[in-house]
Amino acid sequence: EDQVTQSPEALRLQEGESSSLNCSYTVSGLRGLFWYRQDPGKGPEFLFTLYSAGEEKEKERLKATLTKKESFLHITAPKPEDSATYLCAVQAGNYGQNFVFGPGTRLSVLP
Amino acid sequence: DTEVTQTPKHLVMGMTNKKSLKCEQHMGHRAMYWYKQKAKKPPELMFVYSYEKLSINESVPSRFSPECPNSSLLNLHLHALQPEDSALYLCASSQEVLAGGTQETQYFGPGTRLLVL
Repeated sequence: EDQVTQSPEALRLQEGESSSLNCSYTVSGLRGLFWYRQDPGKGPEFLFTLYSAGEEKEKERLKATLTKKESFLHITAPKPEDSATYLCAVQAGNYGQNFVFGPGTRLSVLP
Repeated sequence: DTEVTQTPKHLVMGMTNKKSLKCEQHMGHRAMYWYKQKAKKPPELMFVYSYEKLSINESVPSRFSPECPNSSLLNLHLHALQPEDSALYLCASSQEVLAGGTQETQYFGPGTRLLVL
């Protein structure tokens, strides 16, 4: 069974304090790994798609990396507006038919 | 433009009511999805439509009935819901779902907050 876990469950950072969020997966045939940001009561906002181990993508203060077993979302010098829940999801299966979300990491950045 | 719109934003209904949620995208995407999300939980997939045909139904109760009138529209018809069905209902779309191929990124709408009394 395809599984996705994320750690930590919650993270509190001071403004400017860099850190990383982890997404670990156990799937049969990874087709893609996706990172989303979600604010309370709103739909997930797409951040990155990663397809193969070694791939990296950056957007502003965020950088996503992928290995064969996990992905990291690095946040450099975060600001309070980066506070949100960060979700990772994987697409897997022989036909890419499985799309599974992890439980998310709730990030709070304090001014 | 990566916009998916959903209406209404909020919905309150009784257990005997019939209501519908609507989703629309104009990105030319051929796959559309319904998700249910409870508070502090990740989205759970309910239905997938690919080229206007239902391709995945994740064992959802029959009180939820999806409909895809055309490639831009997706409806979710609700009937005889239970209070535990209260949740945020999210619609998403992607370029397409290819058999044996790579699924494109899913783009989500803002959701409909549903409360069943």
